[in-house]
Amino acid sequence: AQRVTQPEKLLSVFKGAPVELKCNYSYSGSPELFWYVQYSRQRLQLLLRHISRESIKGFTADLNKGETSFHLKKPFAQEEDSAMYYCALLDGSGNTGKLIFGQGTTLQVKP
Amino acid sequence: NAGVMQNPRHLVRRRGQEARLRCSPMKGHSHVYWYRQLPEEGLKFMVYLQKENIIDESGMPKERFSAEFPKEGPSILRIQQVVRGDSAAYFCASSRGQLNTEAFFGQGTRLTVV
Repeated sequence: AQRVTQPEKLLSVFKGAPVELKCNYSYSGSPELFWYVQYSRQRLQLLLRHISRESIKGFTADLNKGETSFHLKKPFAQEEDSAMYYCALLDGSGNTGKLIFGQGTTLQVKP
Repeated sequence: NAGVMQNPRHLVRRRGQEARLRCSPMKGHSHVYWYRQLPEEGLKFMVYLQKENIIDESGMPKERFSAEFPKEGPSILRIQQVVRGDSAAYFCASSRGQLNTEAFFGQGTRLTVV
């Protein structure tokens, strides 16, 4: 079964500290994975996708097929990074483009 | 481009009433997805539509829920005879194509059934 797991509901760090938001997936085949972010009172927006291998707002995520993980990392957290973060997997059945989301992790960056 | 527009933002319905949620995709987008987020859970896929066609409704409850995306006008998610368990945030996303194209989300409609 295809599944995305984000084990932490809340991650609280101080400004300037490193951040790692965990994401594990279950998928047979080559997964396509994404991180979405939702800032307070704003819509869900794409942060990054693994196939583009970009770094957005200082965040990176590396696909580790051995550990079936796609953790989101940032070396130095900023207060404006406080938001809800969702890891998502492109559903491979049917080629419809639908996404399977994790439960989300709230990142709280304290001053 | 105003982005994906959903309305209303908040909707309160009494048990047994009907709820209609609207989604206007971004200009040029002909693919629409509806997701539901129950309290304390992640977004769950409900239905995928292209203009005038339902492509995948594998996430839709079997009864009371329906969706359409007419040739003209917004996509509508309709919930008949709402129950308390329908209370959730309903998100719409649109994209130009199915795969390898970014899906843009609306701000969601928060449905509360009292």
